[in-house]
Amino acid sequence: DAKTTQPPSMDCAEGRAANLPCNHSTISGNEYVYWYRQIHSQGPQYIIHGLKNNETNEMASLIITEDRKSSTLILPHATLRDTAVYYCIVRTSAGGTSYGKLTFGQGTILTVHP
Amino acid sequence: GAGVSQSPSNKVTEKGKDVELRCDPISGHTALYWYRQRLGQGLEFLIYFQGNSAPDKSGLPSDRFSAERTGESVSTLTIQRTQQEDSAVYLCASSWVLGIEQYFGPGTRLTVT
Repeated sequence: DAKTTQPPSMDCAEGRAANLPCNHSTISGNEYVYWYRQIHSQGPQYIIHGLKNNETNEMASLIITEDRKSSTLILPHATLRDTAVYYCIVRTSAGGTSYGKLTFGQGTILTVHP
Repeated sequence: GAGVSQSPSNKVTEKGKDVELRCDPISGHTALYWYRQRLGQGLEFLIYFQGNSAPDKSGLPSDRFSAERTGESVSTLTIQRTQQEDSAVYLCASSWVLGIEQYFGPGTRLTVT
């Protein structure tokens, strides 16, 4: 699985967009980018994933660069409840001994302040 | 709209006792996963079930740990002769098919005294 690099922490004002970057320069052609978050004392929460096209759902948008070596998770209007650790993961769509076994790196601690 | 549910939410047990943790996955999800998360640590994969295939038990830390799943529904994780190092939050997740898009329950916080 490709290694990902995220900033350890970020701040965002409530109501503003939170843009969380992730570098995955060794990503291969069949690997997807997934984003999860974990709010304190809760289980992880799936947010969004994509292969090469930008994706949007009710929670967030995912922008993947054309060379696929980096991506940005966008929370368009951050709220205090979005304060969490955000994890960027790169994984194949199927196969491999690690398939189905979710692991997180250090992630980015996003703090949304009033 | 039921998500993944787990019970109990908290369990305190004495060292040496057996415990059973329950997970009810999202209806229709064929894959079910168990993870462990120690305080301040990352996720530790334990086991997954996928349909009628043999479960992947490669993450179970010792033979004191076992898990069962009835069809595509409820799963129980059993820890025998609990030890203090078993104290952690045990998380269950499910997904439509085996993959990385997993939906987690709230977890069971296990404390072994």
